[in-house]
Amino acid sequence: DIQLTQSPSFLSASVGDRVTITCRASQGISSYLAWYQQKPGKAPKLLIYAASTLQSGVPSRFSGSGSGTEFTLTISSLQPEDFATYYCQQLDSYPLTFGGGTKVEIK
Amino acid sequence: EVQLVESGGGLVQPGGSLRLSCAASGFTFSSYEMNWVRQAPGKGLEWVSYISSSGSTIYYADSVKGRFTISRDNAKNSLNLQMNSLRAEDTAIYYCARGFTEFDYWGQGTLVTVSS
Repeated sequence: DIQLTQSPSFLSASVGDRVTITCRASQGISSYLAWYQQKPGKAPKLLIYAASTLQSGVPSRFSGSGSGTEFTLTISSLQPEDFATYYCQQLDSYPLTFGGGTKVEIK
Repeated sequence: EVQLVESGGGLVQPGGSLRLSCAASGFTFSSYEMNWVRQAPGKGLEWVSYISSSGSTIYYADSVKGRFTISRDNAKNSLNLQMNSLRAEDTAIYYCARGFTEFDYWGQGTLVTVSS
């Protein structure tokens, strides 16, 4: 199975900060990686797919990069509504797997 | 508008069974692959099962293989998950999610609690 390791697991930041979350895969997954945002009590929401493609309707302050085994999600200027937990997911091979999550909290 | 609405969750004793359903609307259900994903209380996301658009290809997580069965009824726009031999560790919110290379739409989830 492909393991995804997200770092950090917890992040404290201020509105306006640039935030970067890393996701490392235990083996190469090409660009078959997606990023999701989840707020408490809500279903996950797709932000980025194919490692760097912004989902329709998602603000342009979100961006994704990487391929192979190392990927990043960047929020260029953190907004109040961005405080949430973020997950990466590999869709290269079954069983599909998610990273452990990164909780972004207000500093 | 794409909508996915799960139902069928509840409290069940260890060893018991439950059948979850996901009603799809707002898109051509028969053209899309579907998945179940779960989330234990306070924990991260865990992919559970996948079914192709025709139902001919199915995958399961090792944690549920042999106990859970995914199926779909394209005529009724419905996705199902039959869960047997339930264990305490199956307690979670279960989401249905659309997609193959990404999960672009999710339902609101249904809570399954396995406890005596």
